[in-house]
Amino acid sequence: GAVVSQHPSRVICKSGTSVKIECRSLDFQATTMFWYRQFPKQSLMLMATSNEGSKATYEQGVEKDKFLINHASLTLSTLTVTSAHPEDSSFYICSVVQGGETQYFGPGTRLLVL
Amino acid sequence: LAKTTQPISMDSYEGQEVNITCSHNNIATNDYITWYQQFPSQGPRFIIQGYKTKVTNEVASLFIPADRKSSTLSLPRVSLSDTAVYYCLVGDHDNNNDMRFGAGTRLTVKP
Repeated sequence: GAVVSQHPSRVICKSGTSVKIECRSLDFQATTMFWYRQFPKQSLMLMATSNEGSKATYEQGVEKDKFLINHASLTLSTLTVTSAHPEDSSFYICSVVQGGETQYFGPGTRLLVL
Repeated sequence: LAKTTQPISMDSYEGQEVNITCSHNNIATNDYITWYQQFPSQGPRFIIQGYKTKVTNEVASLFIPADRKSSTLSLPRVSLSDTAVYYCLVGDHDNNNDMRFGAGTRLTVKP
């Protein structure tokens, strides 16, 4: 299946700063990538669908100005958490779809906002 | 809302066969059923996918009855390392609803 990487694997930042998380599809050209957030002991929550060359589609309740998504190429999507606050601390995971119905996930990025 | 319903948790012992059932009463004609495994602080990992009847790979089997309103993931002879959360997803990926995870089943394998 597709191989997906994320960078950084973990990041600690001060409240009010912005953090960029990269998601790369290493062996597959992904026109669509997905971003999830996962809090401890909870399931994955879909945040947005990242579309190459166009605007991302956000899930209801997810602030698009807070979570900026850029999908500038077929192998890279970035999620920027702007003006991060402690409540944004979470595990962020991206995925690509290959073969029509199968998702392949990145290893995740642990964000801690102090 | 998630389209699937699974038991919240299950316990098993090493060497036993574990069956996790997922209900998806509103499955559509074009929908596939996919199961994922997630370990703590890792992204989910694809286990198996099927459309109908039975699918088997080196890791698991997936049983889907004729009405496709449920599916059962079967893990043969589990080990401690199979302790994880297991999610079933239903969809054809043309609709973002298919990307929404349910609560999953937390499997704990005991020695």
